[in-house]
Amino acid sequence: KNQVEQSPQSLIILEGKNCTLQCNYTVSPFSNLRWYKQDTGRGPVSLTIMTFSENTKSNGRYTATLDADTKQSSLHITASQLSDSASYICVVSARSGYKLSFGAGTTVTVRA
Amino acid sequence: DVKVTQSSRYLVKRTGEKVFLECVQDMDHENMFWYRQDPGLGLRLIYFSYDVKMKEKGDIPEGYSVSREKKERFSLILESASTNQTSMYLCASSRQGSSYGYTFGSGTRLTVV
Repeated sequence: KNQVEQSPQSLIILEGKNCTLQCNYTVSPFSNLRWYKQDTGRGPVSLTIMTFSENTKSNGRYTATLDADTKQSSLHITASQLSDSASYICVVSARSGYKLSFGAGTTVTVRA
Repeated sequence: DVKVTQSSRYLVKRTGEKVFLECVQDMDHENMFWYRQDPGLGLRLIYFSYDVKMKEKGDIPEGYSVSREKKERFSLILESASTNQTSMYLCASSRQGSSYGYTFGSGTRLTVV
């Protein structure tokens, strides 16, 4: 069964600090990997999407990396802001169809 | 700005009621999806549709049905709501044959009492 594992489950950081979230997957054959940001009570919003040939993608202060050989991805948040407090979800798509495999998410809390 | 619109942000229903959750997209996407999201479990696929009047079961279809009479609208139906169906429900859509352009709605928080 395809799986996406995220770590840590949650973290707390001080405003202005950096943090890195991890995503390991077993989805095969791999098509693309996305990171979503989900504010409390809202739907997920796409941050980045990477295909097999891409190993880095940035969106403002968010930088995602992908190592397709080890099946690992990370999301780095630089100079965190209070508005970064949210759940971050790693989502992997297999080439075999349009169904997605979702991680359980990492909840980030940024404190002043 | 492209949108997936879910008709209600919050709903409270009684056990045994028939519940309709509506989703409309304006991107002319062929594929539409219904998920539920529970703490610690992530998003789980209930049903999806790849064309008008076409539907396929996802991972957790029990207790749910769907209707897609028009391309832009995908409805999730809880035939007889139960307390274990209290959850956040998310609708999404994407282009045919592709997971690109995958867009989520804002979600409906359903509470069954």
